[in-house]
Amino acid sequence: AQSVTQLDSQVPVFEEAPVELRCNYSSSVSVYLFWYVQYPNQGLQLLLKYLSGSTLVKGINGFEAEFNKSQTSFHLRKPSVHISDTAEYFCAVTTGANNLFFGTGTRLTVIP
Amino acid sequence: NAGVTQTPKFQVLKTGQSMTLQCAQDMNHNSMYWYRQDPGMGLRLIYYSASEGTTDKGEVPNGYNVSRLNKREFSLRLESAAPSQTSVYFCASSEKPSGDRAFFGQGTRLTVV
Repeated sequence: AQSVTQLDSQVPVFEEAPVELRCNYSSSVSVYLFWYVQYPNQGLQLLLKYLSGSTLVKGINGFEAEFNKSQTSFHLRKPSVHISDTAEYFCAVTTGANNLFFGTGTRLTVIP
Repeated sequence: NAGVTQTPKFQVLKTGQSMTLQCAQDMNHNSMYWYRQDPGMGLRLIYYSASEGTTDKGEVPNGYNVSRLNKREFSLRLESAAPSQTSVYFCASSEKPSGDRAFFGQGTRLTVV
């Protein structure tokens, strides 16, 4: 079975500072990895995804993530955050067999 | 382009009442999903449907039933609501399950008293 662990439930960071949101997964087979963002009272939106190829994936709003197979990680980064980045971020994994498992989420709060 | 539409947005039920959450997508996607979101637990898959006419259980199917009425619509039914089913419910769809992005509805906030 697959699982996803997001190590930090809350991450406060000052505006224009860099941020890293951590995600680790476990699976005995190859996986596809995603980061989704949820703004208050809204559904989830895709930030970026890793399917294959380059391990550094760039997404929307200046976010990027790096797939590290040896460490089974897919951490999300942004070099300079804005107030508008305040949201909840979810890491997700699928093997492609109609399953999409989510982590418990990380609430990013950007402080002015 | 509406994407994924869920109704209702809010609902309060008494214990033991039944209701159906509706979901429709206009993207001609094959796969559809129902999730529930609870604080500190992320999103958990209740049921999914890989194509019209097929449904399968996810992580937390107990207390729920689903119907894939046609390619567009995927409904979730609570036959006898319980307080433990108080949650935010999200419907999602994707063209295919293998590595494809999922599009989410706005959610239904359900409270069972």
